[in-house]
This record gives sequence, structure tokens and C-alpha cells, in this order.
Amino acid sequence: RKEVEQDPGPFNVPEGATVAFNCTYSNSASQSFFWYRQDCRKEPKLLMSVYSSGNEDGRFTAQLNRASQYISLLIRDSKLSDSATYLCVGHTGKLIFGQGTTLQVKP
Amino acid sequence: DVKVTQSSRYLVKRTGEKVFLECVQDMDHENMFWYRQDPGLGLRLIYFSYDVKMKEKGDIPEGYSVSREKKERFSLILESASTNQTSMYLCASRGKSNTGELFFGEGSRLTVL
Repeated sequence: RKEVEQDPGPFNVPEGATVAFNCTYSNSASQSFFWYRQDCRKEPKLLMSVYSSGNEDGRFTAQLNRASQYISLLIRDSKLSDSATYLCVGHTGKLIFGQGTTLQVKP
Repeated sequence: DVKVTQSSRYLVKRTGEKVFLECVQDMDHENMFWYRQDPGLGLRLIYFSYDVKMKEKGDIPEGYSVSREKKERFSLILESASTNQTSMYLCASRGKSNTGELFFGEGSRLTVL
């Protein structure tokens, strides 16, 4: 079993939709979590950190559920420019990347 | 603007050739990393370095070596390239604060024929 697992998708949604991705992790000792965004043929970039209390950055909300060992990313009012691959990352002393979930926002 | 620069965006090499992938960062970061990214497998850590002349094996070090002679530069070496090393190689750096923010280079796509 992979340490960090994501549904690769693709998720195809219309503009304006709300979409949520989940990510599960197997190492309960994971200290912290992050979401990275990777555009097609580009490098990954940090989107946001994930805090136990949940955190929001504009249209993006990240949640952590330690009891069930998953994290989530919610995107509200999807834009065409949100089309990308979203990578879930766990920090256990080293960073463990999920394989990514691809989002395609359609007009 | 912070920057991680990888020397080559695209390379084509033949089986058995020695390959050097260079990475330079201008952020005075202590930690540097080499990953490879393959469809369905995500990013996998090959080697990392937390200081000059220091190196640690990642999850898939076989067939690779690294060199860190200067703080800003971290090189990945394929001693004898094989076709299963065809991949996208990503270099990254991170400061000493040990946050989760890695700064990635644009990647080097290597094809081994």
C-alpha cells in the first residue's frame, strides 16, 4: 500500500462547480500535510498547507482528519485556470507525494 | 524571485552512456533533492542532500549517484543509462526551517534509447 494515495481522476467539472479531492495516508506518524499544484508540463508548486483545524485560502479549503487518516481539498466556484494536477503530500521527516489527482474544468 | 535551475530541459541519450543532470539554486538552501516523476507512480525520491558533501539515499537510489560540492549545486549522475531510466527528473530545494515547501526546477525530461 502506498503511503499517500489519491484517486488519479481525471475529474471533469463545469466552470463554477465545487469539487473535492480526498487523499489517504497510511503512516499515522505523519507530522504535517500539504497540497501542491502541478500544471501540465510544469513543476509542482505549493498550493497550501493543511492544518488540523482546517484552513481556507480564497476558494480553496483544506481539511485534515487524523482519526480517519485522510486530507481533503475543496475548490469552490471552479475556474478554467484551476485545471491542473493536485498533489497530496505527507511529511514524515521526509516528504511523501501522492501520485496526484487531475482536474479539468470545462467551459 | 527564487529560482531552481536545471541545466537541460530535454535530453536524449543511448543505453550505457553516462548522464549528468545539473541543478543550481539561488536561495542559499541547505536541503536539495532529486526526484523522478512517472505516470501512475508520482514523484519518487532518488537522493537528497542536507549539506555540502553530504548525501542520503532516497527511495529509489539504484542506478544513480549524486554530487554536492557546493551549497548551490546538486548533480545527479547516471553512470550507465538504461531505458528504464527514461523519465522526468525534478530537482528541488528547501530551507533549514523544515517546512513542507519545496521549490522545484522546471524538470529535465530524459529519454534513453
